Amino acid sequence: DIQMTQSPSSLSASVGDRVTITCRASQSVTSKLNWYQQKPGKAPNLLIYGASSLQRGVPTRFSGSGSGTFFTLTITSLQSEDFATYYCQQSFSLPRTFGQGTKVEMK
Amino acid sequence: QVQLVQSGAEVKTPGASAKVSCKASGYSFNVYYIHWMRQAPGQGLEWMGWIVPNNGGTKYAQKFEGRVTMTRDTSINTAYMELSRLSADDAAVYYCARGILLSGFGAFDLWGQGTAVTVSS
Repeated sequence: DIQMTQSPSSLSASVGDRVTITCRASQSVTSKLNWYQQKPGKAPNLLIYGASSLQRGVPTRFSGSGSGTFFTLTITSLQSEDFATYYCQQSFSLPRTFGQGTKVEMK
Repeated sequence: QVQLVQSGAEVKTPGASAKVSCKASGYSFNVYYIHWMRQAPGQGLEWMGWIVPNNGGTKYAQKFEGRVTMTRDTSINTAYMELSRLSADDAAVYYCARGILLSGFGAFDLWGQGTAVTVSS
């Protein structure tokens, strides 16, 4: 199985901050990497697919980059509604696997 | 409205089975795979497998082989996930999600609201 490791596990930030989350795969997943946002008590929501493509309806302050084994999710100007947990997920091979999550909290 | 609506919370005793339903509406049910994930309290997401609504084909994560069964009823646009021989470790919120290809990349673009399964004696 491909192991996905996110860092940090949590971070504290303020509205307007630039936030970057990283995701490393235990082997290459090419560009088959997705990012999801999850708020407490809710289902995850797709933000980025194919490592860097923005899902329809997602604000442009979210962006993704990377390929192979190293990926980043960046929020350029954090908004109050962005405080949530973020997960990366590989769609390169079975079983599909997720990172352990990064919780973005208010400073 | 495009949505997946799951069945309600369940409380089961150890050794019992839980069966969760996932009803699709607003899109062509037969066209997209339905995946199942679970999330234990305070934990991350774990993929369990998929079902192909068009032909009923399934693929399960090895961890759940022999204990999970995914089925569907195309007449009512509903997918099911049944997990047997439940233990305390199976207590989690179970999600169904639509698998989609976006520019050739697979992703889960539509999720059910989740179904909490509690396992308690």
